[in-house]
Amino acid sequence: GDSVTQTEGQVALSEEDFLTIHCNYSASGYPALFWYVQYPGEGPQFLFRASRDKEKGSSRGFEATYDKGTTSFHLRKASVQESDSAVYYCALGEVGYKLTFGTGTSLLVDP
Amino acid sequence: NAGVIQTPRHKVTGKGQEATLWCEPISGHSAVFWYRQTIVQGLEFLTYFRNQAPIDDSGMPKERFSAQMPNQSHSTLKIQSTQPQDSAVYLCASSQAGNTEVFFGKGTRLTVV
Repeated sequence: GDSVTQTEGQVALSEEDFLTIHCNYSASGYPALFWYVQYPGEGPQFLFRASRDKEKGSSRGFEATYDKGTTSFHLRKASVQESDSAVYYCALGEVGYKLTFGTGTSLLVDP
Repeated sequence: NAGVIQTPRHKVTGKGQEATLWCEPISGHSAVFWYRQTIVQGLEFLTYFRNQAPIDDSGMPKERFSAQMPNQSHSTLKIQSTQPQDSAVYLCASSQAGNTEVFFGKGTRLTVV
């Protein structure tokens, strides 16, 4: 079945550092790819998506590019802030349908 | 817009008891989803309704879990004979038809003792 792999369980950075969270996927079809962010006590919040090869999604300074060749959708941000501390989930699925989530990456940013 | 509303936020049940979790989707949203979140398994899809009709329940444990959507303003997830392994945060989500963005509620934390 479809699956999403996030290799980093935890990432610790200082403010203004560059962020990369790796996401690789395995799917039989041509899924849409998503990033969600979850804060303590809240449900996951949609960050952005990309639906086709080489499409870039972005929001709030975060971005990721759909790469069908390497089956990747890595999340990047040029300069993180303390307020970015949260758990980030990569997911795949059909638009408007069920999502398959990765295991999540906990980001902690020191001020 | 109050978002997706889930009640109760916390529920403690004894092993073998029944638990009913409630979800009020965002008004006008035709798709409703239930997910379960645990430390070990992460976020798992349970079931999906579109226009109140059950579309996909492939993630539901078959024997003790059931979900219904009797009207467009609420959905319920019922767990019979709860077991400790059912302890999790149960998340409800909704979206407009064909829309990318799925909105999640804050979840119900179920603890089975």
